[in-house]
Amino acid sequence: AQRVTQPEKLLSVFKGAPVELKCNYSYSGSPELFWYVQYSRQRLQLLLRHISRESIKGFTADLNKGETSFHLKKPFAQEEDSAMYYCALRGWGKLQFGAGTQVVVTP
Amino acid sequence: EADIYQTPRYLVIGTGKKITLECSQTMGHDKMYWYQQDPGMELHLIHYSYGVNSTEKGDLSSESTVSRIRTEHFPLTLESARPSHTSQYLCASSAYRGMNTEAFFGQGTRLTVV
Repeated sequence: AQRVTQPEKLLSVFKGAPVELKCNYSYSGSPELFWYVQYSRQRLQLLLRHISRESIKGFTADLNKGETSFHLKKPFAQEEDSAMYYCALRGWGKLQFGAGTQVVVTP
Repeated sequence: EADIYQTPRYLVIGTGKKITLECSQTMGHDKMYWYQQDPGMELHLIHYSYGVNSTEKGDLSSESTVSRIRTEHFPLTLESARPSHTSQYLCASSAYRGMNTEAFFGQGTRLTVV
């Protein structure tokens, strides 16, 4: 069975500090992994996907197959990064989400 | 403009009523999904579809049913609403193949059963 685990429900950081959101997965095949973000009163939207190896809004995520992890990182958090972040895995036709991590960036 | 639409945005309804939540997309996507989400909480996949006449149950058992008669339309029906069905329902769609297979989400329907 596939599973996505986000161990932190809430992450509170100061502006300018680094932020790392953890995501671990279990899946027997080659997964497609994504990070989605939900800003206040907005739709859930894609932040980045592992296959693109891109940096979006200063965020990066590296797929580590050995540790089955896909942690999201940003070196300097901004106040506009305050949002709910979801790690997601696509496998066997399903798109499954983790429980989400609420990020609060304080000035 | 390509988008995914959910109606209604908010619905308050009495116990025992039949309801249908609408979801339509103009993205040209084959795959569609329904998720149930309580505010600020985890998204639970309740139904998904690969295309016309394809429907599958998700990870969370749900008393709702879905249909996929047209590619762009994926309505969710509750035959007899109960207070335990109170939640937010999110519809999403994605391409089946290719580089851009991420899901696009609608605004959601917030359902309250009284």
